[in-house]
Amino acid sequence: DSGVTQTPKHLITATGQRVTLRCSPRSGDLSVYWYQQSLDQGLQFLIQYYNGEERAKGNILERFSAQQFPDLHSELNLSSLELGDSALYFCASSVEGSGSLIDTQYFGPGTRLTVL
Amino acid sequence: GQQLNQSPQSMFIQEGEDVSMNCTSSSIFNTWLWYKQDPGEGPVLLIALYKAGELTSNGRLTAQFGITRKDSFLNISASIPSDVGIYFCAGQPYGPYDKVIFGPGTSLSVIP
Repeated sequence: DSGVTQTPKHLITATGQRVTLRCSPRSGDLSVYWYQQSLDQGLQFLIQYYNGEERAKGNILERFSAQQFPDLHSELNLSSLELGDSALYFCASSVEGSGSLIDTQYFGPGTRLTVL
Repeated sequence: GQQLNQSPQSMFIQEGEDVSMNCTSSSIFNTWLWYKQDPGEGPVLLIALYKAGELTSNGRLTAQFGITRKDSFLNISASIPSDVGIYFCAGQPYGPYDKVIFGPGTSLSVIP
């Protein structure tokens, strides 16, 4: 158990819909990362937040957005869903998010999104 | 953009055999990380490497940070069935606040 929690574990929805994925980081971690893992794309970095502020952006679509709240939990919002958005979505957390020696990422169990 | 390549893509080995896999890049990385992902689970950090030439062990696992800063190796000795999974290398390009980039993974199967 990494200490990172994600809900829901599974999500099935239809094209065009909107969903929200939730992540709670490890106690004491200030930074949250979101990743998408699909069969053909591997693990892709989407976005990083540090203490409520966006810090780094990866391959995140405009239909997707995220935020980190004052209690440090984060939500990833996916809208206008397409079949190709079906994937595992992982959240990870780290202490600082600054690339320091102690700053490694610990992953949650993931949310499996299926778009029908 | 920066990419990581892993080889082999997949491996089938007998229980008890040693395993070697590597990760390469065309650009320099400041940090190398090795993760293992079990089916249906999130990746779990195995080893982190921070200095060129560094050799670090975690039980039966040993990883090295290549001296060119463009590669890393992971070895597993005396494999057991629970070693099955996908092993990802990840790198952090040189510089602060850089995102972590993941390789495509090496799938390991252990035959009892």
